[in-house]
Amino acid sequence: EDQVTQSPEALRLQEGESSSLNCSYTVSGLRGLFWYRQDPGKGPEFLFTLYSAGEEKEKERLKATLTKKESFLHITAPKPEDSATYLCAVQAGVRDDKIIFGKGTRLHILP
Amino acid sequence: DGGITQSPKYLFRKEGQNVTLSCEQNLNHDAMYWYRQDPGQGLRLIYYSQIVNDFQKGDIAEGYSVSREKKESFPLTVTSAQKNPTAFYLCASSISWAGSEKLFFGSGTQLSVL
Repeated sequence: EDQVTQSPEALRLQEGESSSLNCSYTVSGLRGLFWYRQDPGKGPEFLFTLYSAGEEKEKERLKATLTKKESFLHITAPKPEDSATYLCAVQAGVRDDKIIFGKGTRLHILP
Repeated sequence: DGGITQSPKYLFRKEGQNVTLSCEQNLNHDAMYWYRQDPGQGLRLIYYSQIVNDFQKGDIAEGYSVSREKKESFPLTVTSAQKNPTAFYLCASSISWAGSEKLFFGSGTQLSVL
């Protein structure tokens, strides 16, 4: 069964304290892995798409990486405005192209 | 500005009542989606539409219905058959169904049962 698991469920960091969020997946025929940011009471906002193992993408303090089994979202020197829930999603070609979402990691950056 | 507009922001349903959530996009996207989000859960797909006048059931379609009469609009009706409708509902669109396209989301509708 196709699965996407995110860890940890929640993470509290001090401002400037770098860390990583994990997204592990078991799917047949990965077509793309997506990262989204969701603020409370709002819809998710797209961050990155990764297509193949070894690929990396960066945006400001965020960097996403991909291996054959997992993806990491590295956050460097975070600021309080980076507090949000980060969602990982996987599109598998075998399963009718549907996108499978993980449950998310709630990130809280303390000033 | 192009985007997806969901309305209303908050909606209350009485027992036995059908309610309709609105979703409009001006991005000229072919594909549209409805997701349900419960606290601590991943997004679950209710219905999707690859193109106007066509739609398909997602993973949790029971108790819901949709229509896609116009490219811009994809309303979701929560029927009385949906026994646990309280959730945050998200509408999304993508340029097309084929390929790994990113999703654009609306701001969501919080549905609660009175």
